[in-house]
Amino acid sequence: DTEVTQTPKHLVMGMTNKKSLKCEQHMGHRAMYWYKQKAKKPPELMFVYSYEKLSINESVPSRFSPECPNSSLLNLHLHALQPEDSALYLCASSQEQRATYEQYFGPGTRLTVT
Amino acid sequence: AQSVTQLGSHVSVSEGALVLLRCNYSSSVPPYLFWYVQYPNQGLQLLLKYTSAATLVKGINGFEAEFKKSETSFHLTKPSAHMSDAAEYFCAVSDTGGYNKLIFGAGTRLAVHP
Repeated sequence: DTEVTQTPKHLVMGMTNKKSLKCEQHMGHRAMYWYKQKAKKPPELMFVYSYEKLSINESVPSRFSPECPNSSLLNLHLHALQPEDSALYLCASSQEQRATYEQYFGPGTRLTVT
Repeated sequence: AQSVTQLGSHVSVSEGALVLLRCNYSSSVPPYLFWYVQYPNQGLQLLLKYTSAATLVKGINGFEAEFKKSETSFHLTKPSAHMSDAAEYFCAVSDTGGYNKLIFGAGTRLAVHP
């Protein structure tokens, strides 16, 4: 099974709200990723966790806060977002954080900030 | 630094015709290359990957790609297009610095008409 699940599928939030995105995989992968994808653009890497520790933060604003509670779960906590943060947020996982390992993507959460 | 260029943001073919999506990479070391497909409102699905085992790589859904070092290319082909192939296709190279950062091309939208 090469499935990565993400909830919710859609999310609408105001600029003062706090919400969380959830990602789960049961493939035994030890690296998990958050990407942001704007319309008609490729995904942009935000964060990488390797063995439940934050490995890469691509200079993402602090209003995005990642969390990896265990090896199967990845959360993205959202607070005080801006309308320009509206996008498709994709989670991915790979066996390890090495170039040889392909990443498997979830279906994404479509976020709209009003 | 590694990079990927996809030639042609839009490609249109007739059903049953050859599909050719172009990807050129730039890398100072042997690259790890991937093709992903994204259907509307979905996440990315891995089509195939090149990790130096063989220059001709076969993937899912009848797609294949050939790694040509002399041309720094990794073009994606399918002998006969199907209507269900209409989607966005991304070529990506994996950062070999150890971080498994995927560097995506801008994407090619494939349209298939009857």
